[in-house]
Amino acid sequence: GQSLEQPSEVTAVEGAIVQINCTYQTSGFYGLSWYQQHDGGAPTFLSYNALDGLEETGRFSSFLSRSDSYGYLLLQELQMKDSASYFCALAGNNRKLIWGLGTSLAVNP
Amino acid sequence: DSGVTQTPKHLITATGQRVTLRCSPRSGDLSVYWYQQSLDQGLQFLIQYYNGEERAKGNILERFSAQQFPDLHSELNLSSLELGDSALYFCASSGTGLVQETQYFGPGTRLLVL
Repeated sequence: GQSLEQPSEVTAVEGAIVQINCTYQTSGFYGLSWYQQHDGGAPTFLSYNALDGLEETGRFSSFLSRSDSYGYLLLQELQMKDSASYFCALAGNNRKLIWGLGTSLAVNP
Repeated sequence: DSGVTQTPKHLITATGQRVTLRCSPRSGDLSVYWYQQSLDQGLQFLIQYYNGEERAKGNILERFSAQQFPDLHSELNLSSLELGDSALYFCASSGTGLVQETQYFGPGTRLLVL
């Protein structure tokens, strides 16, 4: 089957850099996506890695290593508004998106 | 604003009842997905429709059903409701690509079963 694991909680301070890891088990997939969800809000798409390596979008970057079955989301210059849940999601060969349980990021002053 | 609309925003009902949640995808998107998110839980994929046809099924209960209409809007029907069905229900849409890794979510319908 397919599964993803990510830490349940991460805490950081304003201005810092934080990395949210996502490890997965799957027999095959197209790529790894990341979504952000604020409390009570809808998930919003952040980033997608189809190939190994780093994808950068402003303060956010995402990385994928297929050989290590591992990816991460890197958030730089943290702001209070970055406090949210972050989900990794696997685009499987069966066309389904398999979601991790999410990482709750708390950014403190 | 993602362009995906969902109605109603809030719904309060009693156990044993039946409700219908509605979703309109972004203009041009052919796929609609339904998700359930309970307190302190991640997103549970329920079902996907593509251009009117069921494409993928997740952890959808037999008491739940969905359909996508010719105008591409979708409805999720929840019947014989139980307390445990209280959750946030999201609809998402995506385009025409085979790998639909980018989904656009609606604001959700918050269902409370009393």
